[in-house]
Amino acid sequence: IAGITQAPTSQILAAGRRMTLRCTQDMRHNAMYWYRQDLGLGLRLIHYSNTAGTTGKGEVPDGYSVSRANTDDFPLTLASAVPSQTSVYFCASSDSRVHEQFFGPGTRLTVL
Amino acid sequence: AQSVAQPEDQVNVAEGNPLTVKCTYSVSGNPYLFWYVQYPNRGLQFLLKYITGDNLVKGSYGFEAEFNKSQTSFHLKKPSALVSDSALYFCAVRDVGSGAGSYQLTFGKGTKLSVIP
Repeated sequence: IAGITQAPTSQILAAGRRMTLRCTQDMRHNAMYWYRQDLGLGLRLIHYSNTAGTTGKGEVPDGYSVSRANTDDFPLTLASAVPSQTSVYFCASSDSRVHEQFFGPGTRLTVL
Repeated sequence: AQSVAQPEDQVNVAEGNPLTVKCTYSVSGNPYLFWYVQYPNRGLQFLLKYITGDNLVKGSYGFEAEFNKSQTSFHLKKPSALVSDSALYFCAVRDVGSGAGSYQLTFGKGTKLSVIP
């Protein structure tokens, strides 16, 4: 059982380029989340999805978009990357029966 | 709205001594409370949670936390610290009254725990 996988592990990206971070879970959790982690700011929620086919905005959604076509996958897209989007991105999932969220290993993104 | 405060950016403790990492929360309804640990270059790992019932919750690696409703606190504790406990610790809260189907957590900014040999 893999839990949550994220790809790529790390990426260096030129400003203005489009980038999609991938996230897949095999736990059949209904809810999924994207966070960014920045030093001194903790984890901030970017977007979430309570169930397949629905998405919502978190605390810092600007510049990011998500889709939830099925239960397992929750990609995060940066349409036109900017240096302020340099961060570590974590995907997570949860289920109403379990309450806690399970995290992926993260993607370290650098935008130059 | 829900919020979490971790008042200490860093906690230093000698190996073998008891440790406490502080967390206070604010919710409009009843809270679900969580502690996570993050080792360098890794994702967050779940340690323990308070949902209902006994105010003292025991979790992984010998950690425990006490829910105190009057003080709106959920401090993480361990009787005897290990060097391997050195990591970044996050407290998180979910407001149970935030609406059906809403599973969002709000995280604190994290506390770096250093256990000194």
